[in-house]
Amino acid sequence: AQSVSQHNHHVILSEAASLELGCNYSYGGTVNLFWYVQYPGQHLQLLLKYFSGDPLVKGIKGFEAEFIKSKFSFNLRKPSVQWSDTAEYFCAVNEGANYQLIWGAGTKLIIKP
Amino acid sequence: NAGVTQTPKFRVLKTGQSMTLLCAQDMNHEYMYWYRQDPGMGLRLIHYSVGEGTTAKGEVPDGYNVSRLKKQNFLLGLESAAPSQTSVYFCAGGNRGRTEAFFGQGTRLTVV
Repeated sequence: AQSVSQHNHHVILSEAASLELGCNYSYGGTVNLFWYVQYPGQHLQLLLKYFSGDPLVKGIKGFEAEFIKSKFSFNLRKPSVQWSDTAEYFCAVNEGANYQLIWGAGTKLIIKP
Repeated sequence: NAGVTQTPKFRVLKTGQSMTLLCAQDMNHEYMYWYRQDPGMGLRLIHYSVGEGTTAKGEVPDGYNVSRLKKQNFLLGLESAAPSQTSVYFCAGGNRGRTEAFFGQGTRLTVV
């Protein structure tokens, strides 16, 4: 079965620190990759997505992610985090034209002011 | 354009009671999904639909039923609620392949 792993369940950073959240998936074929964010008490919103082309994708709010096919990874990065980035972050993958998203367990990010 | 709307937003049920959660979308999504979100477990797919009149089981379907009589609506039913069904439920809509899923605001359900 396909799976998505997010290695860090909780991350605590100070404002202005750099962020990298890991995401690895198990499927070896064509994949579509997503990062979603869930702010406290809110629904999931798309941060960024990768379908094809440039493996470095930029999303909203200064986030970016790099797709490394050889490592089956799609790590999320932000050079300088803000207190407002406190949220839970989810990585998700679907295979080619498949309907179903496979989700990671999520990473709770807390930014200390 | 309301997007994906879930009702109700909060509900408390007693064990054994039944209820229906409604998801409505005005984005012409072919696919609709019901997820539950529990701490440390990410999102788990309960049931999904790939079109009007079709439904299928996801990862954790037991204790739930769904119907999609109209393209814009996807109903999730609990026939006999159990405390293990205490969770936050999210509905999402999307289309095949290279598109993202759009989520509703969620329903926080507590079964006592």
